[in-house]
Amino acid sequence: DGGITQSPKYLFRKEGQNVTLSCEQNLNHDAMYWYRQDPGQGLRLIYYSQIVNDFQKGDIAEGYSVSREKKESFPLTVTSAQKNPTAFYLCASSRGQVGFEAFFGQGTRLTVV
Amino acid sequence: GQQLNQSPQSMFIQEGEDVSMNCTSSSIFNTWLWYKQEPGEGPVLLIALYKAGELTSNGRLTAQFGITRKDSFLNISASIPSDVGIYFCAGQLRDSNYQLIWGAGTKLIIKP
Repeated sequence: DGGITQSPKYLFRKEGQNVTLSCEQNLNHDAMYWYRQDPGQGLRLIYYSQIVNDFQKGDIAEGYSVSREKKESFPLTVTSAQKNPTAFYLCASSRGQVGFEAFFGQGTRLTVV
Repeated sequence: GQQLNQSPQSMFIQEGEDVSMNCTSSSIFNTWLWYKQEPGEGPVLLIALYKAGELTSNGRLTAQFGITRKDSFLNISASIPSDVGIYFCAGQLRDSNYQLIWGAGTKLIIKP
């Protein structure tokens, strides 16, 4: 079955550590996205990528980094520069220019301890 | 940045009642999408709208793309307990790249 897989589901990080969240899709989608969701809030865009080897900052990119070396994969690194990293992180993909419907993974809940 | 105004923020309803929520903006959109999110999960696409005036149903759900292209509504008829969750609207601006603009969500709660 086609879909988007995020891992891990839960992640605990010590202050000062970098962590990487995985996102893989087998939908053959061109575009991929990372969102952050805080309790009771909507979705805020961190980074997005329209094609391989290219990505753009979203509204809240500070303290985060991404790579897009393969069409299927769009990992997100939460760096120690992110001052308030505890949140629910959602990865999504879409066909891009020919289709804007975004399909989401199940999310990763990151907690700083 | 661009914003969508989604209302109401939350709704307490009795099982069997009809539900209505909407999203409005001062900007013009090419596409409207409605999603449902359950606790601890990613949003799931419910309905996609592509043309002004378009009315689309998915079971007990009906959504419309406003004729001005600046708004959209979602109706749920005869609500049931599994309708509980947060409903989000998202729009793709007329003059934009691949980004979606998101509403803040409507939380649906069924009264016991």
